[in-house]
Amino acid sequence: DAKTTQPPSMDCAEGRAANLPCNHSTISGNEYVYWYRQIHSQGPQYIIHGLKNNETNEMASLIITEDRKSSTLILPHATLRDTAVYYCIVRAQNDYKLSFGAGTTVTVRA
Amino acid sequence: DAMVIQNPRYQVTQFGKPVTLSCSQTLNHNVMYWYQQKSSQAPKLLFHYYDKDFNNEADTPDNFQSRRPNTSFCFLDIRSPGLGDAAMYLCATSRDKRPEDTQYFGPGTRLTVL
Repeated sequence: DAKTTQPPSMDCAEGRAANLPCNHSTISGNEYVYWYRQIHSQGPQYIIHGLKNNETNEMASLIITEDRKSSTLILPHATLRDTAVYYCIVRAQNDYKLSFGAGTTVTVRA
Repeated sequence: DAMVIQNPRYQVTQFGKPVTLSCSQTLNHNVMYWYQQKSSQAPKLLFHYYDKDFNNEADTPDNFQSRRPNTSFCFLDIRSPGLGDAAMYLCATSRDKRPEDTQYFGPGTRLTVL
């Protein structure tokens, strides 16, 4: 059973903020939301993760709704190098592995 | 500075010829994972080591084995590669197995089977 739902693809303009949505309506209280991205022919790159609170780091911001049923990854100023597949992953307390879904293919256009 | 290193980046082998892929880490993490990613698919976990304890996923074929001689190194052995084993093989590490422990991936080894 898929724990997350993401749009298959989206385009973003270079220099603008990219907002990537993820639905996780069956998430439990102790499950984390992780975001990874995978640039073509490279290994997945960790971006950010959160439990309940919004999080920000040097790469992105993660906004989690109050009911925790959805989240948004924000890339504040998209560049062409941000073109990648972005994966939203929910990890349970006993989840040692990352269960990747299909992800969102993000294309940043000049 | 590379933290999870995989060698080689590209590996070509012949059908049925054993092949070994290697992974090393400078993070001193307890857990090392091997994922398989076939073309246009998402990565899928094959197995992982927690320290010296080996944990195989239920649907990982017997053709795949792994060794972890020390904390820093982990190897993926494919005993008799078939055409269907052509894929990107990804090594990852994490400090522990808790959900708050981030997994960090290497660049991957792309395996071609002729």
